[in-house]
Amino acid sequence: DAMVIQNPRYQVTQFGKPVTLSCSQTLNHNVMYWYQQKSSQAPKLLFHYYDKDFNNEADTPDNFQSRRPNTSFCFLDIRSPGLGDAAMYLCATSSRGDQPQHFGDGTRLSIL
Amino acid sequence: AQSVTQLGSHVSVSEGALVLLRCNYSSSVPPYLFWYVQYPNQGLQLLLKYTTGATLVKGINGFEAEFKKSETSFHLTKPSAHMSDAAEYFCAVSEGMDTGRRALTFGSGTRLQVQP
Repeated sequence: DAMVIQNPRYQVTQFGKPVTLSCSQTLNHNVMYWYQQKSSQAPKLLFHYYDKDFNNEADTPDNFQSRRPNTSFCFLDIRSPGLGDAAMYLCATSSRGDQPQHFGDGTRLSIL
Repeated sequence: AQSVTQLGSHVSVSEGALVLLRCNYSSSVPPYLFWYVQYPNQGLQLLLKYTTGATLVKGINGFEAEFKKSETSFHLTKPSAHMSDAAEYFCAVSEGMDTGRRALTFGSGTRLQVQP
């Protein structure tokens, strides 16, 4: 089945230690998104790629970066994680910006 | 600018009772509207969507929603709740334009509890 896969499902890192979360898709979608979701809140969009075109949300901290080396893969890099960055990180894809998004199961990030 | 308001952060119903989750939106252009469901420790799954055409939209798991332009609403309903419907539900809007750079705007979510 075509799908969005996030690895790992659970990630623990230390305060200030860089961490990378990965997302892959077999849907061949043009658009890939990264969301941050804290407990009992809606997903908050961090950034998205339309093909290779990177779009950063205005309030996304500089600490968060992303890479999309090809259509299938997208990475979220957190350069110096703080305690406030502990959250579920969701990757999603869509064929174009106004179409339904297909979500992975997320990576739950914990900061020690 | 688009926005979504979900009335009621928590809704509790009895098994077999009607489920009604409310969603109101604002949009400067005809919207595309979506309902997603999220089970614990999982991503969001699309329940249904409205783009154009018929205003009553049927989705998976017996859910449906009706787009009412005059009320700027897109409420989600299910005639008879099952225990397995307990989850978080998110309403979302996009402005129906293929700008390529416009993502969804999500409501704050409604947690549905189903009592036996």
